[in-house]
Amino acid sequence: DTGVSQDPRHKITKRGQNVTFRCDPISEHNRLYWYRQTLGQGPEFLTYFQNEAQLEKSRLLSDRFSAERPKGSFSTLEIQRTEQGDSAMYLCASSLGPAGGQNEQFFGPGTRLTVL
Amino acid sequence: QKEVEQNSGPLSVPEGAIASLNCTYSDRGSQSFFWYRQYSGKSPELIMFIYSNGDKEDGRFTAQLNKASQYVSLLIRDSQPSDSATYLCAVTNNQGGKLIFGQGTELSVKP
Repeated sequence: DTGVSQDPRHKITKRGQNVTFRCDPISEHNRLYWYRQTLGQGPEFLTYFQNEAQLEKSRLLSDRFSAERPKGSFSTLEIQRTEQGDSAMYLCASSLGPAGGQNEQFFGPGTRLTVL
Repeated sequence: QKEVEQNSGPLSVPEGAIASLNCTYSDRGSQSFFWYRQYSGKSPELIMFIYSNGDKEDGRFTAQLNKASQYVSLLIRDSQPSDSATYLCAVTNNQGGKLIFGQGTELSVKP
């Protein structure tokens, strides 16, 4: 499978715990994006990387959220001191970036987070 | 005003009919436009993209873009029950960065 992969697929945690998600993009893609989706809504942008550089962060991304892409390949998204409002599907997408066309983004299967 | 607006539906069409899904956007700087299909419990799947005014056809799907009216649509011909899903409209600017999504339109194709 050469698509975007995410791990874990499901995570249940208690309020106040920290969680970390991983995303592996399509191998030749240099842009990687994180989105969050709640029921009945479209995905909301959180942050994105070009190679290892984090180019944009949403103001939705509170100080409890941090993302890294240390070697320009896989990325991690960490949520500290989780709250019930963090319950959502966390989606990762990747793209070739502008040089590869108009930046078509392909999504992974998502990580569904439930905070109890 | 939301940046990208779609009717949430549900839109119900009989099998074999044309389904028409609409989307408007507020940022005149938007350059690229995408349609994603999302089945319940699954992640979005890219089905069409369009960058220039006019129509773009791919199989049973046609995307239409009118930048002057800030309007993009998706037509699905010969609708099948397997087309039943939520269709998400997304736009991005010429920087090729983040996608801004609408809330999605739920389509139901009845046999």
